[in-house]
Amino acid sequence: NAGVTQTPKFQVLKTGQSMTLQCAQDMNHNSMYWYRQDPGMGLRLIYYSASEGTTDKGEVPNGYNVSRLNKREFSLRLESAAPSQTSVYFCASELFGMVNSPLHFGNGTRLTVT
Amino acid sequence: KQEVTQIPAALSVPEGENLVLNCSFTDSAIYNLQWFRQDPGKGLTSLLLIQSSQREQTSGRLNASLDKSSGRSTLYIAASQPGDSATYLCAVDGGSQGNLIFGKGTKLSVKP
Repeated sequence: NAGVTQTPKFQVLKTGQSMTLQCAQDMNHNSMYWYRQDPGMGLRLIYYSASEGTTDKGEVPNGYNVSRLNKREFSLRLESAAPSQTSVYFCASELFGMVNSPLHFGNGTRLTVT
Repeated sequence: KQEVTQIPAALSVPEGENLVLNCSFTDSAIYNLQWFRQDPGKGLTSLLLIQSSQREQTSGRLNASLDKSSGRSTLYIAASQPGDSATYLCAVDGGSQGNLIFGKGTKLSVKP
């Protein structure tokens, strides 16, 4: 059972370049999330998708776009990367509305913008 | 706005010791509280989830308690082992979508 799979694991970009981070889950979860984790700042929510076809902004959405391609896949796009977007990005999913349903995380994408 | 604090930021203990990790939150109107473990270079793994109506949850050597009125949760680890070394994060769920607030974690080191 793969759980939440993120690609790529590592990426280095130059300022101004674009890229898409991919995320897929195989647990039939309805809700998916993108977080970034920075030293001293903890985990912060970028965007989330409550269900297929819907997306909403989180705490730090500026500079990012998302697409909920289908129930399994939720991608995060950086249109013009900036050094401030150097971070570790985590995708997560859950069965929202189900009691005792925890959040499941992928192993992260480590992004460096030079 | 909900704030979640974990103190201390780092903790080092000898193997075999029982230990307690602390999590405090400012708004007692929560839906649930989750404890996660994060190993270096990895994602977060859910350890325990306590509903707001519950006082505690147990899994093996782990026991998590919740006191909503005082805005506190503790994670008790019995007979600690070097394999328990990791960062432990708590997260408070306000109940609405996208409303999970994380603490910054406690980095635990268990020395053989």
